[in-house]
Amino acid sequence: ETGVTQTPRHLVMGMTNKKSLKCEQHLGHNAMYWYKQSAKKPLELMFVYNFKEQTENNSVPSRFSPECPNSSHLFLHLHTLQPEDSALYLCASSQEPGLAGDTQYFGPGTRLTVL
Amino acid sequence: AQSVTQPDIHITVSEGASLELRCNYSYGATPYLFWYVQSPGQGLQLLLKYFSGDTLVQGIKGFEAEFKRSQSTFNLRKPSVHWSDAAEYFCAVGAWDSSYKLIFGSGTRLLVRP
Repeated sequence: ETGVTQTPRHLVMGMTNKKSLKCEQHLGHNAMYWYKQSAKKPLELMFVYNFKEQTENNSVPSRFSPECPNSSHLFLHLHTLQPEDSALYLCASSQEPGLAGDTQYFGPGTRLTVL
Repeated sequence: AQSVTQPDIHITVSEGASLELRCNYSYGATPYLFWYVQSPGQGLQLLLKYFSGDTLVQGIKGFEAEFKRSQSTFNLRKPSVHWSDAAEYFCAVGAWDSSYKLIFGSGTRLLVRP
């Protein structure tokens, strides 16, 4: 596979469930990102990992827990979510944040519905 | 503070007509600028980007954008729209604050009339 892949593409979960979103990039990049896209809101950056180290946590509630075991894989662990957490969760990767020419490439997203 | 404004929430054009989507940015230094397109249920696909040099940049699918520093704009254009161009378009600026990040506009939804 090429580019950035995300699984699952769709997820329905109850508020008491625990689930995980997975992202994998096949571009040889060093940085990976999680974004939240809600209806009628701009994309919200959640987390940034650069060389496996978390460099950004944009005041995200602790019910979202990211994990980056290596530069190619990124997870978002979910527990005790709220209905307002229903959104499209997008993963992206780039070579190195801020480097001239650095460009983020996005996966197809996971559509999350919290009941 | 850095920001990106896309003034048009929706735009409708007829197939074959020309298109211009507006993007205004606010950033003190020379910006890195991007346009992405998102089809329903999909992620964002990069159309084009500007970092330096020629202020008119060419992208995929026949799109182009022009960086105008004096007006703080990076408008996206296409001379002849196809029905498959119907999607949501996002302008973004790469900016340094405490760290480097992309700041996205709210998007413009393009509808194409047959």
